Amino acid sequence: DIHMTQSPSSLSASVGDRVSISCRASQNIYDYLNWFQQRPGRAPRLLIYGGVTLQSGVPSRFTGSRSGTYFTLTISSLQFEDFATYYCQQTSSPPLSFGGGTRVDI
Amino acid sequence: EVQVVESGGDLVQPGGSLRLSCAGSGYTFSSFEMNWVRQAAGKGLEFVSYISSSGDTIYYADSVKGRFTVSRDNANKLLFLQMNSLRVEDTATYYCTSIRGVTTYWGQGTPVAVSS
Repeated sequence: DIHMTQSPSSLSASVGDRVSISCRASQNIYDYLNWFQQRPGRAPRLLIYGGVTLQSGVPSRFTGSRSGTYFTLTISSLQFEDFATYYCQQTSSPPLSFGGGTRVDI
Repeated sequence: EVQVVESGGDLVQPGGSLRLSCAGSGYTFSSFEMNWVRQAAGKGLEFVSYISSSGDTIYYADSVKGRFTVSRDNANKLLFLQMNSLRVEDTATYYCTSIRGVTTYWGQGTPVAVSS
């Protein structure tokens, strides 16, 4: 099974800050990496798929990048509505697996 | 428009059974691999079960193996999760996810509560 290591587990930031969240796969997952945002009481919302592709309707301040088995989600200028928990997910091979989540707080 | 809609969640006593359903529309359901994922309150996302597009390959998380059974009906674009011998620790919101290559669709979830 593929293990996903996500860091940090939480971070504090301010509106306007640049924020980066990392995810490392235990083996090569090619570009089969998704990033989700989840607000309290809501279903996960897909932000980035294929490691780098922005989902339709997602603001361009969200970007995804990849270097080998390392993936990064960057928010270029944090907005109030971005304070949430973020998860990475690999879909390269079943069983799919998730990072532990990163909570972004004010 | 793509839609993934889960149903069947309920309050059930420990040891009881429940059957969840997931209906997919707006995409070629039969070409997509399907998963059930769950999330307990305040916790992260947890894989529960996988079924291939044809239904001939199935995986389960160790925590549900022997108690849960996944199946699909491609003709009617439906995914099922039969949950038996339910435990308090199965309490969670259950999500249905469709995957094909890098494309993924998620539903809004259905809540399952196991309590006496």
